[in-house]
Amino acid sequence: EAGVTQFPSHSVIEKGQTVTLRCDPISGHDNLYWYRRVMGKEIKFLLHFVKESKQDESGMPNNRFLAERTGGTYSTLKVQPAELEDSGVYFCASSLVTGNNEKLFFGSGTQLSVL
Amino acid sequence: DAKTTQPPSMDCAEGRAANLPCNHSTISGNEYVYWYRQIHSQGPQYIIHGLKNNETNEMASLIITEDRKSSTLILPHATLRDTAVYYCIVRDSPFGGATNKLIFGTGTLLAVQP
Repeated sequence: EAGVTQFPSHSVIEKGQTVTLRCDPISGHDNLYWYRRVMGKEIKFLLHFVKESKQDESGMPNNRFLAERTGGTYSTLKVQPAELEDSGVYFCASSLVTGNNEKLFFGSGTQLSVL
Repeated sequence: DAKTTQPPSMDCAEGRAANLPCNHSTISGNEYVYWYRQIHSQGPQYIIHGLKNNETNEMASLIITEDRKSSTLILPHATLRDTAVYYCIVRDSPFGGATNKLIFGTGTLLAVQP
C-alpha cells in the first residue's frame, strides 16, 4: 500500500513567485494535515482537513497561504507570493480516524527554498 | 507550546536498550502521551501512545508512571537505523469534531553507536 506522497520533494523559487505543493494521502484516509518546519524551529501545525472541509486552519501563518482539498482526495498548498521566511520543510500527514487512537502517517516532505 | 520536556540528546550502543525519558508534569486526566520519531530527511513516524497503562507494540514499549507526570520510551534492541529525533507529545482527546493537533517540541536526538 502506498504511503503519503508529496510532490515536489524540493522546490527552489525566488521571492515573490508562487509555488504549489501537492499531497496525496493514503487511500481512504479522510483526515489530512499540513505541518511545516522552518529553519531552526519546531515542526508546526498548519491546518487539518476532514474530507474536503477545513476542520482547523488556526496554524496558517497568513493569507499568502491557501490550502485546498477538492473532492476530498489530494490536497494542495499554495504560497503566493512566497517570502524568504517561508523556506522550510512542508509535511503532509493523513489518518483514518481521529480521536484517542489516531495515528498520523507523514509524507517525506517538500523542501521549499525561497531565494 | 509543547507540554513536554526531553533531554536534547542521548547515545546508545547498538544492540542495547534505549530508554528515552519524557517529563509531562502538567498532563491532565484525558491527555494521551504519544511518541513519534523523525529519521533524517524523512517525515515523522508514529511509534506508540498510551493514557495510563504501559503499552507495547512491535516497535517499542511505553512506560507511564503512576502519577502520569513522566514516561519512558524503550527501544529494546537499538539498531543504527533507530538513530533519529524522538518526540514525546501530550495530546488531548478531541470531542465534537475538534482537532487535537500534534504540538512538537525539540525532541531527543538518539544516536545509536556501533
